[in-house]
Amino acid sequence: AQSVTQPDIHITVSEGASLELRCNYSYGATPYLFWYVQSPGQGLQLLLKYFSGDTLVQGIKGFEAEFKRSQSSFNLRKPSVHWSDAAEYFCAVGAERNFGNEKLTFGTGTRLTIIP
Amino acid sequence: EPEVTQTPSHQVTQMGQEVILRCVPISNHLYFYWYRQILGQKVEFLVSFYNNEISEKSEIFDDQFSVERPDGSNFTLKIRSTKLEDSAMYFCASRMEGAGGNTIYFGEGSWLTVV
Repeated sequence: AQSVTQPDIHITVSEGASLELRCNYSYGATPYLFWYVQSPGQGLQLLLKYFSGDTLVQGIKGFEAEFKRSQSSFNLRKPSVHWSDAAEYFCAVGAERNFGNEKLTFGTGTRLTIIP
Repeated sequence: EPEVTQTPSHQVTQMGQEVILRCVPISNHLYFYWYRQILGQKVEFLVSFYNNEISEKSEIFDDQFSVERPDGSNFTLKIRSTKLEDSAMYFCASRMEGAGGNTIYFGEGSWLTVV
C-alpha cells in the first residue's frame, strides 16, 4: 500500500526567505507525485506534479519540486516566499490501478506561516 | 480554466438526516472521485467512479454512502443517515481518461456539519 509522510507539521519562515517542505513516500513502483495547496476554507489547488522524465518539476506560484528515487522523496521548494504563500501544503502519491483508475494518498500536511 | 464545481459550499444537517452533495466535474473527464477531510486531519479517499460504476472504495465508504451520476453532468454523494462523525469537508474530483497519471482536479469542497 502506498503512503506519504510529511514530517513537518508546521513551518514558519520570514517573508523573502527560502522554503523547503519535505515529503517522503512509500510505493513499490514508480509513483505519481503531487503537491496541493489549501488556503483557509478553500479547496485543493494543484501546485505541481511528477509523472516521469525530468526529476525537477516546475509548478505555479514559483514553486518547484525534485523527485529523488533513491531517497523516496519529493520535496517542495521556493526560493523566496511571499505572505500569500501562507497555507496548508499537502503532498500526495497516486498509484495507477485497473488502467487509469488512480486514487491519491495524501500526507498529513504542513502548515506554512509567513512572518514579516 | 475549467473547474470542478460543488454545491452546497456549506450544509448543516441534523443527525440521522439524509444529505446529498452535488458536483459538476470537468466536462471531458471520465473518472470521478469523492474525498473527505475531517477538520485538522488529512484528506482521505472515499470512492472512485468510472463508466457508471464504483471502481474502488475505501473502508470509510460503508452502506450509508452512495454515489450516482444521474445525468451527463452531475455526480452526487449521498449520505443516507448522517452521524456526527460525518462532519467534514467533502471534495469532489475528476480526471481525464487514459493511463499515465493524468492530473486529478479538485473542487472547492462542501463543508458538512452534522449537529
